[in-house]
Amino acid sequence: ETGVTQTPRHLVMGMTNKKSLKCEQHLGHNAMYWYKQSAKKPLELMFVYSLEERVENNSVPSRFSPECPNSSHLFLHLHTLQPEDSALYLCASSQDYFSSTDTQYFGPGTRLTVL
Amino acid sequence: EDQVTQSPEALRLQEGESSSLNCSYTVSGLRGLFWYRQDPGKGPEFLFTLYSAGEEKEKERLKATLTKKESFLHITAPKPEDSATYLCAVQAPGQAGTALIFGKGTTLSVSS
Repeated sequence: ETGVTQTPRHLVMGMTNKKSLKCEQHLGHNAMYWYKQSAKKPLELMFVYSLEERVENNSVPSRFSPECPNSSHLFLHLHTLQPEDSALYLCASSQDYFSSTDTQYFGPGTRLTVL
Repeated sequence: EDQVTQSPEALRLQEGESSSLNCSYTVSGLRGLFWYRQDPGKGPEFLFTLYSAGEEKEKERLKATLTKKESFLHITAPKPEDSATYLCAVQAPGQAGTALIFGKGTTLSVSS
């Protein structure tokens, strides 16, 4: 596996379910990101981890819970979601969050549908 | 408030018909401007980073340029495989670390 991988690629869940999204980066990077992409809207940054510590949480509802057990893996735990949470969830990684010349590389995304 | 605006929202071209996509930004003290390509159902793919006005970068049929207020992505003699959504993002002071502000994108369709 190379680059940034995400599983599952598609997920359908009910409003009372609990599920998790997984992201893995094979680039040796120190920073990882979760973004939400909804139709006709710009990518929205949700969370940022640098060296396994959360450095940003952009007013995301508590029904989304991130976890970063090590610098290669990132999870997004989901519970009691709403239909408006249906979107493409993208994971990204970069070499160093605090570098002004850093570039983010994205995974393929998880298409989430909440019924 | 820092903003990124891309235009047009959608663009249809014939194969070989060159054109440009625009990304205007209202951030002060730009640290970097990024172009990504996104195919349907996939994640954004990095294309270019520009750091200062006057800078230009090229890759195959794509050329990105930067001024103090906007960036252009020029597409020369496009092919159907260039069809995608092109995203622009900026990195500005006041944004912690490498946090990016994205535009809504321009969806390009190239027909043969």
